[in-house]
Amino acid sequence: GAGVSQSPSNKVTEKGKDVELRCDPISGHTALYWYRQSLGQGLEFLIYFQGNSAPDKSGLPSDRFSAERTGGSVSTLTIQRTQQEDSAVYLCASSQWTGGEGNQPQHFGDGTRLSIL
Amino acid sequence: GEDVEQSLFLSVREGDSSVINCTYTDSSSTYLYWYKQEPGAGLQLLTYIFSNMDMKQDQRLTVLLNKKDKHLSLRIADTQTGDSAIYFCAEYNDYKLSFGAGTTVTVRA
Repeated sequence: GAGVSQSPSNKVTEKGKDVELRCDPISGHTALYWYRQSLGQGLEFLIYFQGNSAPDKSGLPSDRFSAERTGGSVSTLTIQRTQQEDSAVYLCASSQWTGGEGNQPQHFGDGTRLSIL
Repeated sequence: GEDVEQSLFLSVREGDSSVINCTYTDSSSTYLYWYKQEPGAGLQLLTYIFSNMDMKQDQRLTVLLNKKDKHLSLRIADTQTGDSAIYFCAEYNDYKLSFGAGTTVTVRA
């Protein structure tokens, strides 16, 4: 079946602009995650959505970052007033959630490569 | 990834076994994962092991877990050129994955 889909695959923008990154999870997966992969920091957790619960935003690096998930499916990560240090690959993952902790692995999309000029 | 450590590079001859090692710090981690990343691609789930297991085998892949030492390893038997990639160890706790820096595996003919 279809995997996690992310768009755009590449985004180049000028410093100070806002960007929106989209993630379409695997159908039926109620948990959705955003991670960031950068040269200096490796892979970092950003935010986690589970069903209708309040998201875990503990990994967002600043208030310029926000994310929402509408209708329990598609998610959008928004970065306002982008800075050069925001350049990274933004990865989305989804998983099934059956109530037990961590018993369903996270499946990742191919990411959006964001470059801030 | 500072709670999960991996060696950065591994070079292996085609046909030999590769062993990638990882140490983690959170003893309450319930699952430990191995992901593979090829250039320009996302993370591909390879295998995972529940924390109450010592070993898991899946075709050419063998995962060994030493919970006392918080040490995890991934063995790839009969390594092929298609196995060249970055391999990430990750521990799962509190709904999120914490990753190591990744081990770049280079397979030479």
